[in-house]
Amino acid sequence: QVQLQESGPGLVKPSETLSLTCTVSGGSMSSFYWSWIRQSPGTGVDWIGYVFYTGSTTYNPSFRSRVSVSVDTSKSQFFLKLSAVTAADTAVYFCARGRHHDSGPVYDFWGQGTLVTVSS
Amino acid sequence: AIQMTQSPSSFSASTGDRVAITCRATQAISSYLAWYQQKPGKAPKLLIYGASILQSGVPSRFNGSGSGTDFTLTISCLQSEDFATYYCQQYYTYPPTFGGGTNVDFK
Repeated sequence: QVQLQESGPGLVKPSETLSLTCTVSGGSMSSFYWSWIRQSPGTGVDWIGYVFYTGSTTYNPSFRSRVSVSVDTSKSQFFLKLSAVTAADTAVYFCARGRHHDSGPVYDFWGQGTLVTVSS
Repeated sequence: AIQMTQSPSSFSASTGDRVAITCRATQAISSYLAWYQQKPGKAPKLLIYGASILQSGVPSRFNGSGSGTDFTLTISCLQSEDFATYYCQQYYTYPPTFGGGTNVDFK
């Protein structure tokens, strides 16, 4: 059974960079789209971006100038960096496995989510 | 980005009820729609993709239908474990976008 686990600071100061790691176990990273998705009461569920196992990336234009997603398949990990954070970036951040179906990915395995609060 | 609108945003139901949740896209998305179930404090769980294809392990009382802009998730006989929030997600084009959610609670 594939499992994903987010890790990283739960508190980030405004204007700093949010950094999270997702560790994948129980399956290969090959052929999947490793994604970051966040959820907040204010904005609902927002797709941030993905990294394919090859390292290629696609980002949500809403975050494009601030976001970076990368992968280290040798460690079965992928990473999120979101710079210049504000209080609006306070949310539960999920990592998820995207499985391609026709036009795009559907998310069949998720981490438990980690709350990141932006506050001084 | 394509906007997804779910209705209703919440409603109350009883065990055994047949319930339907609708999702509308601001432009046609063919059948590139998924449904997820989320319980408090948990991650979303994939129920249906391709508008009507049941994810492995999901009970057959869940049914998805629709294409184009209008979609429906039907639960034929609501069970206690089905009280949750349901989200639709389009994957026709990037970025993937989610609906605002429909909360189904106990009447």
